[in-house]
Amino acid sequence: GAGVSQSPRYKVAKRGQDVALRCDPISGHVSLFWYQQALGQGPEFLTYFQNEAQLDKSGLPSDRFFAERPEGSVSTLKIQRTQQEDSAVYLCASSLVTGGIEKLFFGSGTQLSVL
Amino acid sequence: GQNIDQPTEMTATEGAIVQINCTYQTSGFNGLFWYQQHAGEAPTFLSYNVLDGLEEKGRFSSFLSRSKGYSYLLLKELQMKDSASYLCAVVGDAGNMLTFGGGTRLMVKP
Repeated sequence: GAGVSQSPRYKVAKRGQDVALRCDPISGHVSLFWYQQALGQGPEFLTYFQNEAQLDKSGLPSDRFFAERPEGSVSTLKIQRTQQEDSAVYLCASSLVTGGIEKLFFGSGTQLSVL
Repeated sequence: GQNIDQPTEMTATEGAIVQINCTYQTSGFNGLFWYQQHAGEAPTFLSYNVLDGLEEKGRFSSFLSRSKGYSYLLLKELQMKDSASYLCAVVGDAGNMLTFGGGTRLMVKP
């Protein structure tokens, strides 16, 4: 596609509900990142994939957070039993290569509100 | 650990010049990025510095001093559309992962 696409754009969940956030990276991009951005803050790293392999998940805040990229393209970030502190914008980013330093292309994010 | 600091907010006048500073303390350094983010939108790439010195790109310039752990983004001939958040991000040891500062919200006034 032309850019990184994320869906849904907005998600309202009741506390305790499970949610799934989708990311479609730019076609052919090897690396995929998930970031969490609280209101008025910079993005915080959650997890990183190289193709289908999840190489770093050190930023996931708890075991309620789970991410997958089974075929090395589309990725899903799942949050189980959502809590109010999970309310944030979840940004996905992709880049073409690994091994070198490559700029990230970001999606517009999914704004999650947990009531 | 990683520590990246930038001012929270700045205000400037249309047509003027503004400098947004960023200081960092990171484990390893493989370059520094600046991104622009309008409210509710995706961050978009502005610049990348890995060597000391000034990189100029149109109205925007970015400077890096690795020995001082310091960078700045310089915006000239400010326009109203430049009102946005500006994110400083460092690539440390961990591959291509960016660690972001809190962002500087710039308001351009007429």
